[in-house]
Amino acid sequence: DTAVSQTPKYLVTQMGNDKSIKCEQNLGHDTMYWYKQDSKKFLKIMFSYNNKELIINETVPNRFSPKSPDKAHLNLHINSLELGDSAVYFCASSKQGAVTDTQYFGPGTRLTVL
Amino acid sequence: GQNIDQPTEMTATEGAIVQINCTYQTSGFNGLFWYQQHAGEAPTFLSYNVLDGLEEKGRFSSFLSRSKGYSYLLLKELQMKDSASYLCAVTAAGNKLTFGGGTRVLVKP
Repeated sequence: DTAVSQTPKYLVTQMGNDKSIKCEQNLGHDTMYWYKQDSKKFLKIMFSYNNKELIINETVPNRFSPKSPDKAHLNLHINSLELGDSAVYFCASSKQGAVTDTQYFGPGTRLTVL
Repeated sequence: GQNIDQPTEMTATEGAIVQINCTYQTSGFNGLFWYQQHAGEAPTFLSYNVLDGLEEKGRFSSFLSRSKGYSYLLLKELQMKDSASYLCAVTAAGNKLTFGGGTRVLVKP
């Protein structure tokens, strides 16, 4: 009974391609996030949505576009992929996005750009 | 901005105790989390501290000193399955969770 799920788990693609990663949570949470974990293992916030509304938008290239069709889903679309986009992307969710709320992470999507 | 420092790697023996330190500099502190991340897996929640002092949860304890910008995670009675990375994360302005680089703990028999 997976709480936060992501697809695909692995994604290997060529530079210049466009790809999407999907995320779903069945915890009934209002807030969802996208993080990027690079080769040095730093987890960095990219985006956050609360009830389908964008609330955190860090300095990421506009090739990255999140989309939240409903509060249980947050997808990440990446255009014109570059070598530097290779990383593990984690989706997460929290109850209401409050500072005290625990974030629950998905299993990650390992993106490799060749 | 925020700055979070923790050691890159630590090694300890099964059954022993290990203390992972985390120092931070941030504006508008709202709490500190510790997460555990096994290789190739998702980070999972271990603890949350917002007030000074020690929070104990079974074999794991977490301590916070807000005035010193300092926290530690204490792992007692180490088991082989505790080999993982331990991530210190601070919640500050904008409700954003900022992570340190993680401390990789290797437990040896």
